[in-house]
Amino acid sequence: AQSVTQPDIHITVSEGASLELRCNYSYGATPYLFWYVQSPGQGLQLLLKYFSGDTLVQGIKGFEAEFKRSQSSFNLRKPSVHWSDAAEYFCAVGTGTASKLTFGTGTRLQVTL
Amino acid sequence: EPEVTQTPSHQVTQMGQEVILRCVPISNHLYFYWYRQILGQKVEFLVSFYNNEISEKSEIFDDQFSVERPDGSNFTLKIRSTKLEDSAMYFCASSYGTTSGRAQYFGPGTRLLVL
Repeated sequence: AQSVTQPDIHITVSEGASLELRCNYSYGATPYLFWYVQSPGQGLQLLLKYFSGDTLVQGIKGFEAEFKRSQSSFNLRKPSVHWSDAAEYFCAVGTGTASKLTFGTGTRLQVTL
Repeated sequence: EPEVTQTPSHQVTQMGQEVILRCVPISNHLYFYWYRQILGQKVEFLVSFYNNEISEKSEIFDDQFSVERPDGSNFTLKIRSTKLEDSAMYFCASSYGTTSGRAQYFGPGTRLLVL
C-alpha cells in the first residue's frame, strides 16, 4: 500500500525567505503526486500536481515542486514566502486513474514578519 | 471557476442520530469521493463513487455509512447512527478522471460534531 511521509510537522520562516517542504512517498510504480494547502477552517486547495513528464511542476501562488524518483520525493518550494502563505500543507499520492488519495500528516507553516 | 460545494458547513447531532452530508460536485466531473479529517489528524479516504456505484471504500466506511447520488447534481454521505468518534471534518471531492483531469478538487468541508 502507498504511504506519504512529511517529516516536518511545523516550519517557521521569515517573510521573503525561501521555503522547502519535504515529502517522501512509498509506492512501487509511478505515483501521481499532489500538494494541497489548507488555511485555518478552510477546505483543501490544490496547489499543483505531477502525473508524468517534466519532473519540475509549477503550481498556483508561485509554488513549484520537483519529483525525484531516485529519492522518492516530491518537495514543495517557493522562492519568497508571503505572510498569506501561512497554512497547513499536505502532500498526497494517488496510484491510478481516479484512485483514492493517501495524505501525509501535513506541515504547518508559520510566517514571521 | 467551478467549485465543489458542501452543506451544511457545520452540524451538531446527538449520538445515535442519523446525519446526511450533502455535496454538489463540479458539474462535468465523473468521480466522487468522501474523506474525513479528525481534528489534528491527517485526511483519510472514506469512499469513491463512479457510475452510480462505489468503486472503492476504506475500512472506516462500515455499514453505518452509505453514499448516494440521488440526482444529477448532488452526492450525499449518510451516517446511519452516529458515534462520538464520527466527529470530524468531512470533505467531498470530485475529479473528471481522464489523464489531463485526474486531480481531485475538494469542497470546503462539513464539520460534524457528535455529542
